[in-house]
Amino acid sequence: DTGVSQNPRHKITKRGQNVTFRCDPISEHNRLYWYRQTLGQGPEFLTYFQNEAQLEKSRLLSDRFSAERPKGSFSTLEIQRTEQGDSAMYLCASSRLAGPRWSTGELFFGEGSRLTVL
Amino acid sequence: AQKITQTQPGMFVQEKEAVTLDCTYDTSDPSYGLFWYKQPSSGEMIFLIYQGSYDQQNATEGRYSLNFQKARKSANLVISASQLGDSAMYFCAMRGDNTDKLIFGTGTRLQVFP
Repeated sequence: DTGVSQNPRHKITKRGQNVTFRCDPISEHNRLYWYRQTLGQGPEFLTYFQNEAQLEKSRLLSDRFSAERPKGSFSTLEIQRTEQGDSAMYLCASSRLAGPRWSTGELFFGEGSRLTVL
Repeated sequence: AQKITQTQPGMFVQEKEAVTLDCTYDTSDPSYGLFWYKQPSSGEMIFLIYQGSYDQQNATEGRYSLNFQKARKSANLVISASQLGDSAMYFCAMRGDNTDKLIFGTGTRLQVFP
């Protein structure tokens, strides 16, 4: 399978604990995105990387959230001191930079990591 | 700021019929791209179709077509000959000239019945 891979697929944790999600993008894709999706809503942008550089972070990404992409390959999203409001699906996507910024360069998504904070 | 609006929380369609899912957008960027994604119950977002703001013709991909009306700022998805497997959430999204991220709407749940 050469698609975007995320793990774990499901994570149940107690409030206050730290959790980490991993995303392995499609190998030739230089851009990697993290989104959060709550029930009944569309995905909300959190942050994205071009290679190893984190180029943009949403205001949704509080200081309890941190994302890394060492060596420009896989990425991790860590949530410290989880709160019940962090319960959501965390989606990772990758794309290949090609052409103008607004042109086709669709995002390929993984199946997501569902977080439940008790 | 960019915004995507999907006003239909849910739609029903009979198998083999066509259905239109509405999407309007707001942006001040001179150029932008519009996307539609399908999200089945498994959770994975699947890219369906893309329309560039300068494209002269409406995009088509198999049974999917995008009815792009630039003056009205609408980008409706038309699914022809609906199949039971089309039952899913559908999201409209856009990317503008000044950003590298996709902004998504709230989605429309499509249910296809026999």
